[in-house]
Amino acid sequence: DAKTTQPNSMESNEEEPVHLPCNHSTISGTDYIHWYRQLPSQGPEYVIHGLTSNVNNRMASLAIAEDRKSSTLILHRATLRDAAVYYCILQWGQNFVFGPGTRLSVLP
Amino acid sequence: NAGVTQTPKFRVLKTGQSMTLLCAQDMNHEYMYWYRQDPGMGLRLIHYSVGEGTTAKGEVPDGYNVSRLKKQNFLLGLESAAPSQTSVYFCASSPGRGEQFFGPGTRLTVL
Repeated sequence: DAKTTQPNSMESNEEEPVHLPCNHSTISGTDYIHWYRQLPSQGPEYVIHGLTSNVNNRMASLAIAEDRKSSTLILHRATLRDAAVYYCILQWGQNFVFGPGTRLSVLP
Repeated sequence: NAGVTQTPKFRVLKTGQSMTLLCAQDMNHEYMYWYRQDPGMGLRLIHYSVGEGTTAKGEVPDGYNVSRLKKQNFLLGLESAAPSQTSVYFCASSPGRGEQFFGPGTRLTVL
């Protein structure tokens, strides 16, 4: 099964960009890459997803490596509200595989 | 719109007892999912449904059963609860490939 690996934790200063990396070296050609985040005691919240091309939305950008073996979630200006656990997830069919995620701390 | 709701929010069971968790969504989504999350870990998919009357196994289906008799509801059953099933259970719904909308979770403790 395809798996993802992420750093356990990262820190960022408020109003600075944040780059959250994810490795998925066993990804298959039809696997989608999703990012979700989870605040304490809440359900996960969708951030962004993509297949091959880079993607942008109002929350973030997703940069996917040309070989698709890694991706990076980019938060353009971190705020205190962005402090959460960020999950990089692979989807094949209706199977979603979550890793343990990266805990992002945002310092004021 | 209420989005995705889960009932109950908390529950304590004794080993061997049974219970049903209810997930309801008012977004007319075809796809629904049940996950469990153990402390310090990511979510693991238990079962999912791609439409009314359909169910399929996810990554960790053993010890659980599900039913999707109505499009808006997805039930998760534990026939004989075990301490290993102590976890937080999340339900999600989706219109298709892409964003999943998660409920607030049910915290279950099995003694």
